[in-house]
Amino acid sequence: DVVMTQSPLFLPVTLGQPASISCRSSQSLVYSDGDTYLTWFQQRPGQSPRRLIYKVSNRDSGVPDRFSGSGSGTDFTLKISRVEAEDVGVYYCMQGTHLYTFGQGTKLEIK
Amino acid sequence: EVYLVESGGGSVQPGGSLRLSCAVSGFTFSSFWMTWVRQAPGKGLEWVANIKQDGSEKYYVDSVKGRFTISRDNAKNSLYLQMNSLRAEDTAVYYCATGRYMSNWGQGTLVTVSS
Repeated sequence: DVVMTQSPLFLPVTLGQPASISCRSSQSLVYSDGDTYLTWFQQRPGQSPRRLIYKVSNRDSGVPDRFSGSGSGTDFTLKISRVEAEDVGVYYCMQGTHLYTFGQGTKLEIK
Repeated sequence: EVYLVESGGGSVQPGGSLRLSCAVSGFTFSSFWMTWVRQAPGKGLEWVANIKQDGSEKYYVDSVKGRFTISRDNAKNSLYLQMNSLRAEDTAVYYCATGRYMSNWGQGTLVTVSS
C-alpha cells in the first residue's frame, strides 16, 4: 500500500505570511498514462472537504490563486502565498495512482 | 450548481447493517465515477469505495471488502453504499464525492456502530 506522509502536522502561520505543506509518497505517483494523480483538499472547521488542486498543480475553479501545488514523483508541496483567516483548517494530500490514500492531514492555524 | 446529499446514517449495533444513499443534482450523474470517503470522529479522511459510470467496475479499501457494496442507479441520480457486518471501527461520517478524484463533496452522514 502507498503511504502518504505530510509535514508538518501542525502549522501556525501569521496572517499575510506564506505557508508550505510537504507531502511524500512511499512510491512514485506517476501513472502509466503519464499523469501524476496527486490531489490536495482543504477541510475548514465543521465543513466537508473541498478539493483545491488536482494532478499536482491544477487549481480547481473558484480556488484563490494564492494556493499553488508543485512536485513530482514522490515529493509534493502545497503553498499558500499569503495566508488569510479563511484558510484555517486541515489540509490533506491524496494519491490516486495506486487506488487512493490520504495523508494524515496538516492543521493550519493563525498565530 | 452541483449538489450531493447523503442520507441513511444512524446508530446500529455491531454486526448490523445500514444502507447509505447519495442523491445528486446539477451534473450528468451517469457520466462520472462516484466515490465514498469516510472520516472517523476527530480523525483524517479514508477512501472507502468507488464505482464506474455504468457500474461495471467497483473498488474497495481492504478493510471493507466483503462487507460493503457500492452501487448506483443512474435513472435516479443516486449512489448507494450497503454496509453489512458493521464494526465499531466503521463509525464515521460518510461522504459521497464526484469522480475518482473527488471534485465535489456532500455534507456527510454519520454512522455510529456501538452496543
